[in-house]
Amino acid sequence: SQTIHQWPATLVQPVGSPLSLECTVEGTSNPNLYWYRQAAGRGLQLLFYSVGIGQISSEVPQNLSASRPQDRQFILSSKKLLLSDSGFYLCAWSAGTGSWNEQFFGPGTRLTVL
Amino acid sequence: DAKTTQPPSMDCAEGRAANLPCNHSTISGNEYVYWYRQIHSQGPQYIIHGLKNNETNEMASLIITEDRKSSTLILPHATLRDTAVYYCIVRVGHDYKLSFGAGTTVTVRA
Repeated sequence: SQTIHQWPATLVQPVGSPLSLECTVEGTSNPNLYWYRQAAGRGLQLLFYSVGIGQISSEVPQNLSASRPQDRQFILSSKKLLLSDSGFYLCAWSAGTGSWNEQFFGPGTRLTVL
Repeated sequence: DAKTTQPPSMDCAEGRAANLPCNHSTISGNEYVYWYRQIHSQGPQYIIHGLKNNETNEMASLIITEDRKSSTLILPHATLRDTAVYYCIVRVGHDYKLSFGAGTTVTVRA
């Protein structure tokens, strides 16, 4: 069966510090991968998605970036965090067969920027 | 994507069926109805989806009206672990983006 891992689970970072969140998927090949952010009391916002290694599409201009160095690894980064970057970051995957129907989410990383 | 309307909250007794309504009167012919839920402080969990036929899986049943303007998610025997926010979404099958609204906060009580 497929599993998705995210770490760390929680993170407290000062403003201006760098960020690296990692997501890995097991049990599937060539998945579509996604980074979402869920701010407190708000809905889900798609940040990036990827259909393959090195292929990243950005949905929202911001100070965040994403990379996919391996088929089942997706990394979210920032060089300098802002207060507004606080939120619940979720990685998700879906079958990379042209079907975008079902997205399966990881446990999330709760980021607090102080 | 078509917009959906859900009640903000509902209570359900443990062991009873929970029927969660969703209105999507502007749904177009190629849009599917999806349901996800999010338990507090966890990632969203896919439940079920359908186009026009009723669907059932190990988690729930999805009943879509004939005109497709509304649907109902049925949790047949609600447990305390089903307490969560439930999101009804309509989107085309090839759309990569998920977008959640406020959803329905379901509280299952013993």
